[in-house]
Amino acid sequence: GAGVSQSPSNKVTEKGKDVELRCDPISGHTALYWYRQSLGQGLEFLIYFQGNSAPDKSGLPSDRFSAERTGGSVSTLTIQRTQQEDSAVYLCASSRSLSGGVLSEQFFGPGTRLTVL
Amino acid sequence: GIQVEQSPPDLILQEGANSTLRCNFSDSVNNLQWFHQNPWGQLINLFYIPSGTKQNGRLSATTVATERYSLLYISSSQTTDSGVYFCAVEAGGFKTIFGAGTRLFVKA
Repeated sequence: GAGVSQSPSNKVTEKGKDVELRCDPISGHTALYWYRQSLGQGLEFLIYFQGNSAPDKSGLPSDRFSAERTGGSVSTLTIQRTQQEDSAVYLCASSRSLSGGVLSEQFFGPGTRLTVL
Repeated sequence: GIQVEQSPPDLILQEGANSTLRCNFSDSVNNLQWFHQNPWGQLINLFYIPSGTKQNGRLSATTVATERYSLLYISSSQTTDSGVYFCAVEAGGFKTIFGAGTRLFVKA
């Protein structure tokens, strides 16, 4: 079946502009995650959705970052007034719910490479 | 918050050699995963292993939750094993914390 997809694959923007990144999770996966990976670094957790709800937004780096998920499926990550330090690869992952409130392994999309000039 | 440490940070192997990668975590976790990030950046889930031992071909993993560590074994390494290996743990609230990774290069 189809995996996690993300769009665009690459985005170049000017400092101060807003950008929207999209994630389509695997069908039926209730959990969705956003991460950020700077060049040569590990993954930084941004936000997690269970259904359409995000119980923990503490990973978002600043109030310029926001995310939403609609219909328990597609999610968008919005960065307002982009800064050069926002340049990174933004990765999305999804997982399914198991019994007892446990989540399965995470499946990752290919990422969106964001460059802020 | 929970800390995840991976070792070694870098590893160079001759094709055919075996290796062990380690992941230490500072607190109890709900689950632990091992990922491989290939040179093109794609992350592939290798193991979902909150405890016990699993094997998949030339790879196997063991997590000893009571002692807060996990090991990833690579046997008969191949050049296609090159890339970065990440350990990731889920603490409370489904927040997933990744280690800094082990960068592996397998020489032909």
